[in-house]
Amino acid sequence: KAGVTQTPRYLIKTRGQQVTLSCSPISGHRSVSWYQQTPGQGLQFLFEYFSETQRNKGNFPGRFSGRQFSNSRSEMNVSTLELGDSALYLCASKRSAKETQYFGPGTRLLVL
Amino acid sequence: AQTVTQSQPEMSVQEAETVTLSCTYDTSESDYYLFWYKQPPSRQMILVIRQEAYKQQNATENRFSVNFQKAAKSFSLKISDSQLGDAAMYFCAYETNFGNEKLTFGTGTRLTIIP
Repeated sequence: KAGVTQTPRYLIKTRGQQVTLSCSPISGHRSVSWYQQTPGQGLQFLFEYFSETQRNKGNFPGRFSGRQFSNSRSEMNVSTLELGDSALYLCASKRSAKETQYFGPGTRLLVL
Repeated sequence: AQTVTQSQPEMSVQEAETVTLSCTYDTSESDYYLFWYKQPPSRQMILVIRQEAYKQQNATENRFSVNFQKAAKSFSLKISDSQLGDAAMYFCAYETNFGNEKLTFGTGTRLTIIP
């Protein structure tokens, strides 16, 4: 069974631009979560989607948004990029509650 | 809010030896899950082991085992017969069992394997 896939793997943007990252969960997994990993803040939860609904959101500004499609694929969008948004963005999927989250390879975003 | 603490930023171990990574957590809940994830230089987060809080038996996966002390809120990972491929960042993580589908991570321990 294929794992979680994320595209693109690497991205370079400039301040003020916006970016969209994509995540395809493991087949049969309906929950998708997003995390940001930085050297200073570590791993932080962004949001979680299940059946196209955002169920939980972390403490991030409104510039960070996401959505989930009917096939469970998810996208996250960051508008008006700031230098501090440079990070590894990890996506994880799980089949349902009480199951384990499995992670994708991540998207490395560099904001110049 | 739940917190996860990993007090060892770095650890090293000789190849074939045993090493234990420490993790403590703080929660007021009684039902939850604990995990150890491994992140090698590729940055892919890989599940190592999972423990359900209501199970008293410590989880084991091949060379990896945990010492789960619920009353002490302690969750350490023991790696036996360490191999070069075990070199990575190891993250301890907590997840509540009440519909809040988010993982709370510790700051990680960088494990170096000495040949």
